[in-house]
Amino acid sequence: GAVVSQHPSRVICKSGTSVKIECRSLDFQATTMFWYRQFPKQSLMLMATSNEGSKATYEQGVEKDKFLINHASLTLSTLTVTSAHPEDSSFYICSAQIGTGGRDEKLFFGSGTQLSVL
Amino acid sequence: GENVGLHLPTLSVQEGDNSIINCAYSNSASDYFIWYKQESGKGPQFIIDIRSNMDKRQGQRVTVLLNKTVKHLSLQIAATQPGDSAVYFCAEISYSSASKIIFGSGTRLSIRP
Repeated sequence: GAVVSQHPSRVICKSGTSVKIECRSLDFQATTMFWYRQFPKQSLMLMATSNEGSKATYEQGVEKDKFLINHASLTLSTLTVTSAHPEDSSFYICSAQIGTGGRDEKLFFGSGTQLSVL
Repeated sequence: GENVGLHLPTLSVQEGDNSIINCAYSNSASDYFIWYKQESGKGPQFIIDIRSNMDKRQGQRVTVLLNKTVKHLSLQIAATQPGDSAVYFCAEISYSSASKIIFGSGTRLSIRP
């Protein structure tokens, strides 16, 4: 199956610093990628939809200035958590879509990034 | 924001027995349903999917059943193995709603030796 690489897998940072997480589709082009956040013992919550060459679409309640998303190429989307604080500590997961969003679409997930803000 | 510490429901199954994990979905207009398996510290892994025009689909050791009347989805795992221990999520997609995937709350499957 298709491979989505997410990096880093784990990051620890100081409060107030910014952290960048990369999501790459290794063997396919993804016009659409999604970013999720998952707290312990909870389900995945969609944060934003990242579209190549255009601005990301954020879900209600997600601060776009806090979580910067860049999808500059068909194989790479990045999520930058700016001025991170302890409450931003979470497991962040990306997914990449093959297909046009219709009945031919498939989603493949990255392995996730555990962010811990001290 | 504040985290609400929800506890995932847990299903405990004897090794070798069959497991049935249930899910109630929310949108009667959803077109496509997927079951994912998530091991600790990893991203979700696709298990099996089903379209809304079907009521049953079988894979290797897994079967998904869809009951659209009561908006219920189930995942059956035959001859459960220790490697099946994980959290299982159902997910739904509505093609009329920008094809966003919405995850259910998850069930932890625990295997007794």
